[in-house]
Amino acid sequence: AQKITQTQPGMFVQEKEAVTLDCTYDTSDPSYGLFWYKQPSSGEMIFLIYQGSYDQQNATEGRYSLNFQKARKSANLVISASQLGDSAMYFCANREDTGRRALTFGSGTRLQVQP
Amino acid sequence: DADVTQTPRNRITKTGKRIMLECSQTKGHDRMYWYRQDPGLGLRLIYYSFDVKDINKGEISDGYSVSRQAQAKFSLSLESAIPNQTALYFCATSVATGKDEQFFGPGTRLTVL
Repeated sequence: AQKITQTQPGMFVQEKEAVTLDCTYDTSDPSYGLFWYKQPSSGEMIFLIYQGSYDQQNATEGRYSLNFQKARKSANLVISASQLGDSAMYFCANREDTGRRALTFGSGTRLQVQP
Repeated sequence: DADVTQTPRNRITKTGKRIMLECSQTKGHDRMYWYRQDPGLGLRLIYYSFDVKDINKGEISDGYSVSRQAQAKFSLSLESAIPNQTALYFCATSVATGKDEQFFGPGTRLTVL
């Protein structure tokens, strides 16, 4: 069974600074994908970034990057130059590439960006 | 614009009532999913469907049923709603190639009194 652990229930960061949100995962499938989603207070789920288990390089999408350390089973999200609009819940999720291919989510980290 | 829509967006109902949540998509994806989110928690899988004839249970399917009426429509039913089914419900779609990103609907906020 898959498991995603996000150990930071809440984080604060100053505007324009970088912040790292932690995520560790546990899976028995050799092929899998890792995702980060943002959930603002309005409730929708917004896809941010994806990392495949066989990808050699860390994924980047604009101000978002994923620090993928396969041996440690960690997939931390780095947000550079934080903006007030980044204040939201952030969820890490894992998808095994066999079977149902559904997402298993962590419990989330609430990020608050301070001016 | 290709999209995933959910109706209703908000619903308040009473214990014991039957309720249906509907999901429609114009993305042309075969795979559809229903998730549930409780306050302070991540999403958990209720049911999923790979095509019209393929329906599968997720981790928390008890008390729920689904219907895949067409490729584009996937409905979730609560046969007899109970208060601990109060939650935010999400529908998602995906195509099982490459990144296979899941696209989420806006969510349905359900309150069972």
